[in-house]
Amino acid sequence: AAGVIQSPRHLIKEKRETATLKCYPIPRHDTVYWYQQGPGQDPQFLISFYEKMQSDKGSIPDRFSAQQFSDYHSELNMSSLELGDSALYFCASSVNRGDNSPLHFGNGTRLTVT
Amino acid sequence: KQEVTQIPAALSVPEGENLVLNCSFTDSAIYNLQWFRQDPGKGLTSLLLIQSSQREQTSGRLNASLDKSSGRSTLYIAASQPGDSATYLCAVMKGTDKLIFGTGTRLQVFP
Repeated sequence: AAGVIQSPRHLIKEKRETATLKCYPIPRHDTVYWYQQGPGQDPQFLISFYEKMQSDKGSIPDRFSAQQFSDYHSELNMSSLELGDSALYFCASSVNRGDNSPLHFGNGTRLTVT
Repeated sequence: KQEVTQIPAALSVPEGENLVLNCSFTDSAIYNLQWFRQDPGKGLTSLLLIQSSQREQTSGRLNASLDKSSGRSTLYIAASQPGDSATYLCAVMKGTDKLIFGTGTRLQVFP
């Protein structure tokens, strides 16, 4: 079965650089979520999109922005990178936002900021 | 503010044992509760989802229960296997989009 695809798998950037992470949801899934998981921590919600519109926002820094495109894929843009941005970034998708729709996570993008 | 706690933090058992992992949350106004498995450096795999109106869900050797009034959920793993070794995360859905995760239970099943 098709899963959530994230690219790249690994990314190394220097401080103050920018990074773009991509997410391709499971076909026919209309909701995309972004989570950040720091070393040894639980995932933290960043932002979500439903039908290409921002749906909810969590602890996402102003330096980050995201969008969902017409083909439902999503991109997380990160600017002025800081050392503390080093983390595993997960994208997840669901078929709708119903209470019986589990989130399906990708394998994540590991971002290292040096 | 919703807080999710999981105990134990780590568990090491011999193969074949039945296990209970515990999850507690402070705000009973949840949309649903989900259990995930995470292997080291990998993504999260959805195991079970319990809607707020449900009491339990079963999938194979896994059974999850939900008691919203007391703010508790348990994940029962029957006849554990070495392949079950992973970190198990409980997460409650706040609103329709925001999952709030517990810190996980790191499980090791040895042959």
